[in-house]
Amino acid sequence: AQRVTQPEKLLSVFKGAPVELKCNYSYSGSPELFWYVQYSRQRLQLLLRHISRESIKGFTADLNKGETSFHLKKPFAQEEDSAMYYCALRNTGNQFYFGTGTSLTVIP
Amino acid sequence: DTGVSQDPRHKITKRGQNVTFRCDPISEHNRLYWYRQTLGQGPEFLTYFQNEAQLEKSRLLSDRFSAERPKGSFSTLEIQRTEQGDSAMYLCASSLPSGRTGELFFGEGSRLTVL
Repeated sequence: AQRVTQPEKLLSVFKGAPVELKCNYSYSGSPELFWYVQYSRQRLQLLLRHISRESIKGFTADLNKGETSFHLKKPFAQEEDSAMYYCALRNTGNQFYFGTGTSLTVIP
Repeated sequence: DTGVSQDPRHKITKRGQNVTFRCDPISEHNRLYWYRQTLGQGPEFLTYFQNEAQLEKSRLLSDRFSAERPKGSFSTLEIQRTEQGDSAMYLCASSLPSGRTGELFFGEGSRLTVL
């Protein structure tokens, strides 16, 4: 079975401060991990995927198979980063499993 | 193509009634997913299609739920004899075939309220 855990439901940081949203997963196979974001009054959309090793809007995430983690990080938070963030895992059957989400608030 | 569209956006119904939601995916996407989301939770997988074939269905899904994708294009999700516990946001997403980006493109959702 697969499971995605996001331990923080709410996270508040000041503008310009570093931010880290935690994600842990359990899966017996080789997972593909994603971060999705939902801004206010917008649909859920992809932020980044681990296989791309990319930085999107200043966010990065590294897959740590030893710790089964895929934490999302940004060195300097901006007000426009305030949103709901979901970590997701895709299994070999092409099913996506989502965590419960973390609501990030960046305080001006 | 404006992306994944869902209809209706909001549905209020009485307990025991049947409801149907429609999803139109992005035209070249052959995979289509249905998710349910309740307050404070992430999207919960319900079922998914590759073209017209329904490949997976969540074991958590009651027999009152049925989904179709008759021509491999749009899909419908029907809930029979609705219960108050069915109140949720029903999300549809589509994607390109496996081995490509793997990205899910979501619709805006259909919010169901069962009175």
